[in-house]
Amino acid sequence: DAKTTQPPSMDCAEGRAANLPCNHSTISGNEYVYWYRQIHSQGPQYIIHGLKNNETNEMASLIITEDRKSSTLILPHATLRDTAVYYCIVPHSGGGADGLTFGKGTHLIIQP
Amino acid sequence: DTGVSQDPRHKITKRGQNVTFRCDPISEHNRLYWYRQTLGQGPEFLTYFQNEAQLEKSRLLSDRFSAERPKGSFSTLEIQRTEQGDSAMYLCASSLKVVGSSTGELFFGEGSRLTVL
Repeated sequence: DAKTTQPPSMDCAEGRAANLPCNHSTISGNEYVYWYRQIHSQGPQYIIHGLKNNETNEMASLIITEDRKSSTLILPHATLRDTAVYYCIVPHSGGGADGLTFGKGTHLIIQP
Repeated sequence: DTGVSQDPRHKITKRGQNVTFRCDPISEHNRLYWYRQTLGQGPEFLTYFQNEAQLEKSRLLSDRFSAERPKGSFSTLEIQRTEQGDSAMYLCASSLKVVGSSTGELFFGEGSRLTVL
């Protein structure tokens, strides 16, 4: 998988937008960016993924820079339940397991 | 509930004993993955199946570990002669892989927590 770099932790006030950055400077042209999160004592949960264009769903928005070397996950109105570890992943394409390689992610703490 | 289910949720065993975990994926999913997660770390890939075929195994999967998916539905992960270093959360995930598409969304179970005394 293309290497990703995320800050180890971030704080955000409840009700504010949480912006989680991710660097993936070695990403290839056909590799997607995926975001998952893991709430304490639960399995990881898919959030969103994208290739080139910005994406939005009911959980979050994904902004990918034009050169695709970085992206930002945006939780528009963070709640206490959004406290979790957020993983940015670029799966290797063109063979292999396609299994996602998780790093240590960003521990997002939503403050009341 | 039609999500991924894992059993047992917790297992405490003595060193040297064998343990087996079961995973029931989402019914129409053709891919099934096993991951291991230790405290403070992200999940680590162990192995995955496309239908009943085991297509890749991580070097983390020692000879004491064996996984099966006999009919392309549920899967088992067995650990023989457990060691204290095997203590971890074992996560199962499934997905529907469509040829030519990206990896797709993985749906994870709640995990099976193993404690080896």
